[in-house]
Amino acid sequence: SQTIHQWPATLVQPVGSPLSLECTVEGTSNPNLYWYRQAAGRGLQLLFYSVGIGQISSEVPQNLSASRPQDRQFILSSKKLLLSDSGFYLCAWSDRGRRAFFGQGTRLTVV
Amino acid sequence: QKEVEQNSGPLSVPEGAIASLNCTYSDRGSQSFFWYRQYSGKSPELIMFIYSNGDKEDGRFTAQLNKASQYVSLLIRDSQPSDSATYLCAVNSNAGKSTFGDGTTLTVKP
Repeated sequence: SQTIHQWPATLVQPVGSPLSLECTVEGTSNPNLYWYRQAAGRGLQLLFYSVGIGQISSEVPQNLSASRPQDRQFILSSKKLLLSDSGFYLCAWSDRGRRAFFGQGTRLTVV
Repeated sequence: QKEVEQNSGPLSVPEGAIASLNCTYSDRGSQSFFWYRQYSGKSPELIMFIYSNGDKEDGRFTAQLNKASQYVSLLIRDSQPSDSATYLCAVNSNAGKSTFGDGTTLTVKP
């Protein structure tokens, strides 16, 4: 069966520090991969999605970037965090653009 | 106009009642529709999906889709306190990109 791993679960980082969140998927090949951010009490904001290795689409211009170095690995990065980057970050994979399955999420607090 | 709109709630129903959650979307080319449940502090989990007009039932849950009206709903029969959560509507385009609504918070009172 397919599983998705996302880590860490919580993270507290100072303003201006770099960020790297990693997500890996097991049990499927060539999945669509997504990074979402959720502000408190709000829905999911799509940040990046990828349909294949090296193929990244950015939805919202901001202080973040994403990379897909391997088929089942998706990384969210920032060179310098801002206070506004705080939130709940969710990685997800979908079966060719249909149902999405989410990782446990990373709660990021920038202080 | 938001691409996917939901009433934010909160929606409060007594235990045993039917909870009705609604969602409208703007992209007429949308192909597939999903309902996710999210407990506080947790990641969303898929509970229903529907691709064709009409009703789809799974246990206590029924999803309803009307593409002409660009409307999708979720009915929860015999609501239980454990159903208390935020329900997210998601709509997929042809390209497979999911757009989520902001969610409706449901509270089921014992």
